[in-house]
Amino acid sequence: QQPVQSPQAVILREGEDAVINCSSSKALYSVHWYRQKHGEAPVFLMILLKGGEQKGHEKISASFNEKKQQSSLYLTASQLSYSGTYFCGTVGQAGTALIFGKGTTLSVSS
Amino acid sequence: KAGVTQTPRYLIKTRGQQVTLSCSPISGHRSVSWYQQTPGQGLQFLFEYFSETQRNKGNFPGRFSGRQFSNSRSEMNVSTLELGDSALYLCASSLGDRGNEQYFGPGTRLTVT
Repeated sequence: QQPVQSPQAVILREGEDAVINCSSSKALYSVHWYRQKHGEAPVFLMILLKGGEQKGHEKISASFNEKKQQSSLYLTASQLSYSGTYFCGTVGQAGTALIFGKGTTLSVSS
Repeated sequence: KAGVTQTPRYLIKTRGQQVTLSCSPISGHRSVSWYQQTPGQGLQFLFEYFSETQRNKGNFPGRFSGRQFSNSRSEMNVSTLELGDSALYLCASSLGDRGNEQYFGPGTRLTVT
């Protein structure tokens, strides 16, 4: 089942903050976050695993509420380079594939 | 380390034809997943292969099929193409564990006329 992302779109000025949410109706093993810029492939941002482990290499933070099957991506002090479409993906505990939400489009202007 | 490569990058086909897309994963990665991306629909999961076995399959008709070879390279085939199959087809590779990140290739843009 496809996770649900909100909001669908966000418009920011440089320096402003944003939160993107992702929720699932199934028990999750992990939540993955990716960013895709126009005309490019999605790029890995972060993984949040059941049990609290996180892996990522961007200056972006995220949370994973295992009880509610929800995750949030926090974009603080946004920069122009943050613009793009953000996808959350979820992997169920039953070993299901990585399924992505429909994405959240973020536009940052100067 | 070389990234995920996909060939061809662009393809134009006619309705009713079939097409084969290829994906070469990052060296050492044993899992390859395929996604269809169309405007407004996000990344729709097609199938996932791990060590030459299909591990998961998405909700697509049987016209969509795939396979993985012993060197982890993967191909997907779409038979009897329809106009609605026009999309960007992305493959992604990973080490294979559920906690591993996926790395995407640049995609193959398929246009069906």
